[in-house]
Amino acid sequence: GQQLNQSPQSMFIQEGEDVSMNCTSSSIFNTWLWYKQDPGEGPVLLIALYKAGELTSNGRLTAQFGITRKDSFLNISASIPSDVGIYFCAGSNSGGSNYKLTFGKGTLLTVNP
Amino acid sequence: GAGVSQSPSNKVTEKGKDVELRCDPISGHTALYWYRQSLGQGLEFLIYFQGNSAPDKSGLPSDRFSAERTGGSVSTLTIQRTQQEDSAVYLCASSLEGVRQTQYFGPGTRLLVL
Repeated sequence: GQQLNQSPQSMFIQEGEDVSMNCTSSSIFNTWLWYKQDPGEGPVLLIALYKAGELTSNGRLTAQFGITRKDSFLNISASIPSDVGIYFCAGSNSGGSNYKLTFGKGTLLTVNP
Repeated sequence: GAGVSQSPSNKVTEKGKDVELRCDPISGHTALYWYRQSLGQGLEFLIYFQGNSAPDKSGLPSDRFSAERTGGSVSTLTIQRTQQEDSAVYLCASSLEGVRQTQYFGPGTRLLVL
């Protein structure tokens, strides 16, 4: 089946620094999503991307849907301590309903105040 | 407002026992999903409900796993004859039907099979 390679596995940064993480796929997706998971909680959707080449921002977060439809990246600018958590990319090919998501293994972000 | 709730929060069981995990979706959400998250891994899709029917059960790892949904609301994931490799966090999500609908996740049930 489809697999997502997410990198880096973990990052340790200083508060105020910018962060970038990405996902690549062995096959194309027509939707890319980025989630954040805090300890003991379920993932929360950060950004959804529906068109190849699309660049979308949500506050300090920016994500792009790769033109090849096989990759996506997430940038976080001016990191703050509450950005700590695990970030997951997810892709879907089940039409616009996104019912069947394939997740990457996550990037663990630690922010040092 | 009420989000997706799951019970129990934690479950410890002995190998070979059956377990039932419950999910209460957001009121009005007709779509419901189950995922499994093993330690250090991403989420693995298990099953999707549209109302009370499951058009896609392709992610269920074996016939020991089953799920049902009644009244278009509560869903139960049952694991029979649990094995140690079943230990994981089981996450439920719900959404409205239709294109581009966001899946809202519950906090999960942490299952440990001894």
